Amino acid sequence: GENVEQHPSTLSVQEGDSAVIKCTYSDSASNYFPWYKQELGKRPQLIIDIRSNVGEKKDQRIAVTLNKTAKHFSLHITETQPEDSAVYFCAASGTGRRALTFGSGTRLQVQP
Amino acid sequence: EADIYQTPRYLVIGTGKKITLECSQTMGHDKMYWYQQDPGMELHLIHYSYGVNSTEKGDLSSESTVSRIRTEHFPLTLESARPSHTSQYLCASRGMDTQYFGPGTRLTVL
Repeated sequence: GENVEQHPSTLSVQEGDSAVIKCTYSDSASNYFPWYKQELGKRPQLIIDIRSNVGEKKDQRIAVTLNKTAKHFSLHITETQPEDSAVYFCAASGTGRRALTFGSGTRLQVQP
Repeated sequence: EADIYQTPRYLVIGTGKKITLECSQTMGHDKMYWYQQDPGMELHLIHYSYGVNSTEKGDLSSESTVSRIRTEHFPLTLESARPSHTSQYLCASRGMDTQYFGPGTRLTVL
């Protein structure tokens, strides 16, 4: 089955700096890669996703890049703000019946 | 409003009690999931369903059971709760790709 590894497990940045979280996956058949943000005491919320036919996707300060050859994808947050502080999870799956496989999470702390 | 709902949100019970955690969604999704998560930690898949009368065990061994009699409803039952079951339980549903999570049930077993 699919295996997703996520790094780093914790990340501390100064407000205004950029943050990068990286994930690798094992199953070359995976073609959907979402990122979730989970604030303290809240449910995970989808913040951005990418499909395997696209190399990069941006939404305001957030971007995701995908390298299918190397089987890794990354989340980039620019101009970080204290409200970006949360746990971020990457995930991967194929289409159809396959469940999402989640990474182990990255705790991002943005220092004011 | 299309959403996914869980009840109760918080539950404190004694060891040995039988409990059912409720999950319902109004998005018409066939795929539904249960995850166990300690605060801020990994998401562990414990059960999933691809439609009515379809249920499977997930990656994490669990003493719970699930049923899927209606598309919108996916309850999880613990026959005899133990302190090791103390955790947060998140229900989720998925359409073609996007997966949505419910607000979770925080369970404490004394």
